[in-house]
Amino acid sequence: AQTVTQSQPEMSVQEAETVTLSCTYDTSESDYYLFWYKQPPSRQMILVIRQEAYKQQNATENRFSVNFQKAAKSFSLKISDSQLGDAAMYFCALKLYAGNNRKLIWGLGTSLAVNP
Amino acid sequence: SQTIHQWPATLVQPVGSPLSLECTVEGTSNPNLYWYRQAAGRGLQLLFYSVGIGQISSEVPQNLSASRPQDRQFILSSKKLLLSDSGFYLCAWSWTSILETQYFGPGTRLLVL
Repeated sequence: AQTVTQSQPEMSVQEAETVTLSCTYDTSESDYYLFWYKQPPSRQMILVIRQEAYKQQNATENRFSVNFQKAAKSFSLKISDSQLGDAAMYFCALKLYAGNNRKLIWGLGTSLAVNP
Repeated sequence: SQTIHQWPATLVQPVGSPLSLECTVEGTSNPNLYWYRQAAGRGLQLLFYSVGIGQISSEVPQNLSASRPQDRQFILSSKKLLLSDSGFYLCAWSWTSILETQYFGPGTRLLVL
């Protein structure tokens, strides 16, 4: 069975600084996708970044980047130059490539506070 | 561009009453559609997904059902609500491709009293 673990229930960062959110996962499959979603207080789930497991290059979207370590099954999210609007719950998710499995396997989330 | 709508935004219902939540997607055709529930302080639980009109897969047996009467419409229903049905319900869509990144609607807050 696939699992996704976010070991940091809560984190905080000072505005303009950098923070890294951790995510580890477990799967026996070799082809899969990984995602980070952000859920602000409005509770709408917003895609932050995604990574295809077959790509060695880490994905980057503006101030957001990932450190994907396939062998270690680690997928951390780095937020640079943190802004007040980055305060939210952040969820890591895994989707297998193969078959008809439509499920995203979700972590329980990390609550990020941004201090002014 | 694609947009996804959910309504109502908030709903308070008595135990035993029926439920109908609606989700519609604009700007795409034949999307995959998903219903999730998120309990307070918890992650997301996939309830149903659909790959086409009339095609519904249930992930968790429970008091809820889903229907897809039109290509871009997905409805979550219950004949009799339970207290445990309270939560935040999110609808999502994705392209019918292998990647299938899911894009979420604004959600519905349901409180069953």
